[in-house]
Amino acid sequence: DIQMTQSPSSLSASVGDRVTITCRASQGVSRYLNWYQQKPGKAPKLLIYAASSLQSGVPSRFSGSGSGTDFTLTISSLQPEDFATYYCQQSYRMPPITFGQGTRLEIK
Amino acid sequence: QVQLQESGPGLVKPSGTLSLTCSVSGDSISSTNWWTWVRQPPGKGLEWLGEIYPSGGTNYNPSLKSRVTISVDKSNNQFSLRLSSVTAADTAVYYCARALSVTRYFDYWGQGALVTVSS
Repeated sequence: DIQMTQSPSSLSASVGDRVTITCRASQGVSRYLNWYQQKPGKAPKLLIYAASSLQSGVPSRFSGSGSGTDFTLTISSLQPEDFATYYCQQSYRMPPITFGQGTRLEIK
Repeated sequence: QVQLQESGPGLVKPSGTLSLTCSVSGDSISSTNWWTWVRQPPGKGLEWLGEIYPSGGTNYNPSLKSRVTISVDKSNNQFSLRLSSVTAADTAVYYCARALSVTRYFDYWGQGALVTVSS
């Protein structure tokens, strides 16, 4: 199985901050890397697919980059509604499809 | 607008079988997508359980392969999950989701169904 490791596991930031979350794959996954946002009690929401493509309806302050084993999700200017948990997910070598352990983004 | 809705018992006894159904609206279960189950134990991360293609082809998580079955009901535009020999470790919120065919990103999700395994 491909292991996905996110860093940091938790992060405190303020409204307006630029935030970067990293996801590292144990083997190369090309650009088959997706990012999700999850708020408490809700289903995950797709933000970025294929490493850098913004899902329709997602604000442009979200961006993704990377290929192979190292990927980043960047939020250019944090808004109050962005405080949530973020997950990366690979689908390059499956089964199984695997997720990172999550990064919890909290208000400072 | 595509919508998915999980349904099924919220309580299952240990050693029993967990059964959930996902009803799909706004898309045909016969479209070129993979229909997927993901679960999330309380306070923990996401685990992919498996998927089914309209043709009936399936992929399962090897960690669960012997216990999990996913099937499709085209006449009712639904797909289902069965997980046998459950234990307390199978207590989780179970989500159904749609995955785009090649890239397998999950663009639509159900709201989730909490299933508790307890006697």
